[in-house]
Amino acid sequence: QKEVEQNSGPLSVPEGAIASLNCTYSDRGSQSFFWYRQYSGKSPELIMSIYSNGDKEDGRFTAQLNKASQYVSLLIRDSQPSDSATYLCAVNRGTGNQFYFGTGTSLTVIP
Amino acid sequence: GAVVSQHPSRVICKSGTSVKIECRSLDFQATTMFWYRQFPKQSLMLMATSNEGSKATYEQGVEKDKFLINHASLTLSTLTVTSAHPEDSSFYICSASVPGTIDVQYFGPGTRLTVT
Repeated sequence: QKEVEQNSGPLSVPEGAIASLNCTYSDRGSQSFFWYRQYSGKSPELIMSIYSNGDKEDGRFTAQLNKASQYVSLLIRDSQPSDSATYLCAVNRGTGNQFYFGTGTSLTVIP
Repeated sequence: GAVVSQHPSRVICKSGTSVKIECRSLDFQATTMFWYRQFPKQSLMLMATSNEGSKATYEQGVEKDKFLINHASLTLSTLTVTSAHPEDSSFYICSASVPGTIDVQYFGPGTRLTVT
């Protein structure tokens, strides 16, 4: 079983819609959760971090964490074509600061 | 803040030669840096964890004699790909954590290595 799993997509949404990205993780002891955005040919850029159950909002982005279900999600409201990228879910189990990345979900926002 | 740079951004080398990639934390001291490799349309693969002043910890399957990592200072880690082969062509990315924060990793811009 992979440490972190994501639906690879591709996910397509029309401009202005809500994009929903999902991630599950295997280690119940995981402590920190992150969403990174990666444009083609570029390195990942941190979008959101979340550490406790519930929702965390930052602008158009909302991260949701459910530790009981071992599930993390990212909602992007009012999606823009510039949001088209691959979104990587990362989990830190708290040992040695090592991150485990999912394979990423490719998002395309259609104008 | 929390800016990580890499140099070079792109490098082309001939098979059998060695290439050095530098990773610098510009506005903070990083006791730990990480090196990743990413093949096209695949996710990041952690190669090794680089600790200042000590030997790097390599992930299973990563040849430590081929991918030499040196973390000589709190702001610089280097990755040297020795005796490069075409299959080493990839996107190499480093990251660093800001001390005192809750383990967020900030990534450098990456180095595109092409071995001909």
